[in-house]
Amino acid sequence: ELQLVESGGGLVQPGRSLRLSCTASGFTFGDYALSWVRQAPGKGLDWVGFIRSKLYGGTTEYAASVKGRFIISRDDSKNIAHLQMNSLKTEDTAVYYCAREMFKGKVVITGVGNYMDVWGKGTTVTVSS
Amino acid sequence: EIVLTQSPATLSLSPGERATLSCRASQSVSNYLAWFQQKPGQAPRLLIYDASNRATGIPPRFSGSGSGTDFTLTISSLEPEDFAVYYCQQRSKWPWTFGQGTKVEIK
Repeated sequence: ELQLVESGGGLVQPGRSLRLSCTASGFTFGDYALSWVRQAPGKGLDWVGFIRSKLYGGTTEYAASVKGRFIISRDDSKNIAHLQMNSLKTEDTAVYYCAREMFKGKVVITGVGNYMDVWGKGTTVTVSS
Repeated sequence: EIVLTQSPATLSLSPGERATLSCRASQSVSNYLAWFQQKPGQAPRLLIYDASNRATGIPPRFSGSGSGTDFTLTISSLEPEDFAVYYCQQRSKWPWTFGQGTKVEIK
């Protein structure tokens, strides 16, 4: 069974840091790019960032709202990706999902025409004093 | 960034009825559009990609159409499990953006 499991969420004070993890099983994790998406309470979906597979450089892209504060990394030997969140703000409060990018060919380079086909159940991050 | 506007915000229908959901982009996204379904307390589920291709395991009552700036998700005959929130997402230009969602509720 294809599966992604997020962990590491919790309550954190503004300005502090938190690291989320996304553990994969049921597929060759290293072959795929991965995205992070968040959802604030009662709100819609908000794309956070993306990491390419190592074949295509393992490089990252970020939404403007988190660029310079959040860092996505991956350890293919452990089938795990991380979302390091620094300088947290109250508006970062959300459920954070990781999602596999469906296609593993050259579309990974631009991300155009790739889609999130496997999602974890999410982990909740609350930023509050 | 590309803004996706979904309409209506809420659709009140009965089981067995046809649902038609709209997603309009602020600029052309070609056919690089996906539709997701989300039920309360659950993760989103990919329904449609490339505007009209059903994802694995998605029943044929779900269909997508459109290109450029105007897209439609149609559910031909609503089943009880289809009452949920539906989001469109463009995968044409960074940053990837989602519409604000359409809630399909039981009338």
